[in-house]
Amino acid sequence: NAGVMQNPRHLVRRRGQEARLRCSPMKGHSHVYWYRQLPEEGLKFMVYLQKENIIDESGMPKERFSAEFPKEGPSILRIQQVVRGDSAAYFCASSSPGQGTNEQFFGPGTRLTVL
Amino acid sequence: GNSVTQMEGPVTLSEEAFLTINCTYTATGYPSLFWYVQYPGEGLQLLLKATKADDKGSNKGFEATYRKETTSFHLEKGSVQVSDSAVYFCALARGGTSYGKLTFGQGTILTVHP
Repeated sequence: NAGVMQNPRHLVRRRGQEARLRCSPMKGHSHVYWYRQLPEEGLKFMVYLQKENIIDESGMPKERFSAEFPKEGPSILRIQQVVRGDSAAYFCASSSPGQGTNEQFFGPGTRLTVL
Repeated sequence: GNSVTQMEGPVTLSEEAFLTINCTYTATGYPSLFWYVQYPGEGLQLLLKATKADDKGSNKGFEATYRKETTSFHLEKGSVQVSDSAVYFCALARGGTSYGKLTFGQGTILTVHP
């Protein structure tokens, strides 16, 4: 049973380019969360999605960031016109509404470097 | 809002030493509490959890007790191993079963020497 998959594992972008991060949840999981880990800091919640719906985006920056979780395919976190401050590790987690205890399973992360 | 504060690291111990990593929280209501572990180059793995006051979570020799009176969830292990070297995160989520947005502490780096 494959765990949460994220790709790419490492992504290098120049300032002003776009970054697309992908997350495939565990089989049977319909809830996806994105977190960002800045250097020397803990993980910060960004957005919570269910299939085709954004449930909570209170942690998303108001500009340049967007997320989706389509009916088919992975969840995508998109960062437009990246800046150096976007350099971080981005983690995706998934859960199932049937689990009952808020347990989330994390992917290995995508490490974004903005030059 | 909710917040989690962990003891600052890094923590360096010799093998078989006793480990404590302090964690305190601020939250409304009755949150669920978690410890996650992150090994180099990997994602976070759930280590243990507790969902109500006085519950004790345990796994792989690690333990933590949900103390509502002191709003704490300290992680302990009686005898650490080199393989325990990792980053440890304390986290909380709103109580209940349907929504698991996690609030994390800043993480504590643990290094265990032979």
